Amino acid sequence: GESVGLHLPTLSVQEGDNSIINCAYSNSASDYFIWYKQESGKGPQFIIDIRSNMDKRQGQRVTVLLNKTVKHLSLQIAATQPGDSAVYFCAETGGTYKYIFGTGTRLKVLA
Amino acid sequence: DADVTQTPRNRITKTGKRIMLECSQTKGHDRMYWYRQDPGLGLRLIYYSFDVKDINKGEISDGYSVSRQAQAKFSLSLESAIPNQTALYFCATSVGVSTDTQYFGPGTRLTVL
Repeated sequence: GESVGLHLPTLSVQEGDNSIINCAYSNSASDYFIWYKQESGKGPQFIIDIRSNMDKRQGQRVTVLLNKTVKHLSLQIAATQPGDSAVYFCAETGGTYKYIFGTGTRLKVLA
Repeated sequence: DADVTQTPRNRITKTGKRIMLECSQTKGHDRMYWYRQDPGLGLRLIYYSFDVKDINKGEISDGYSVSRQAQAKFSLSLESAIPNQTALYFCATSVGVSTDTQYFGPGTRLTVL
């Protein structure tokens, strides 16, 4: 499959462990944030989102944390599974059409 | 996401050729977007359309044009392809309300020789 990013930072975790993927966003005026998962050869897939009036949001096995003070976003994946292996990237927007996308982190799940 | 489809999935072409990439969606969304993805870079916006009569340039529109044939269809054309347009191209849609998550198609891998 196509390599989304040849020189992406890589996080390797043992199957069953928790994963934490970080993102520093750029615009202090951004008020909506999304995490996407991109598997090789596929388009980005929505995972979870969060608005700037929240610090934390939980989904199924995933949690997003937002720290507006330092413009930092993190994605936590509980009990990481082999199917979680992919590139993860964040996106931010200030409520207009324009999204700023991060370059991503490659997650490798070790059996 | 099967709700957003792109054709072709892969294309190899030569410098100077005109190429059209097509996107269709069954989500009923008004907003559609074209992005390109290059290794080591985030997605970059080429064009976007908020409805059939509203088409706007994104940050890297030079060398590209688009057509919004219907609410469900948004095509991207490379008028005269050049090698640095080799990339992954993604179409996306969104509802167009305050929570404006974008949903992506599977992508088209374009290689310009």
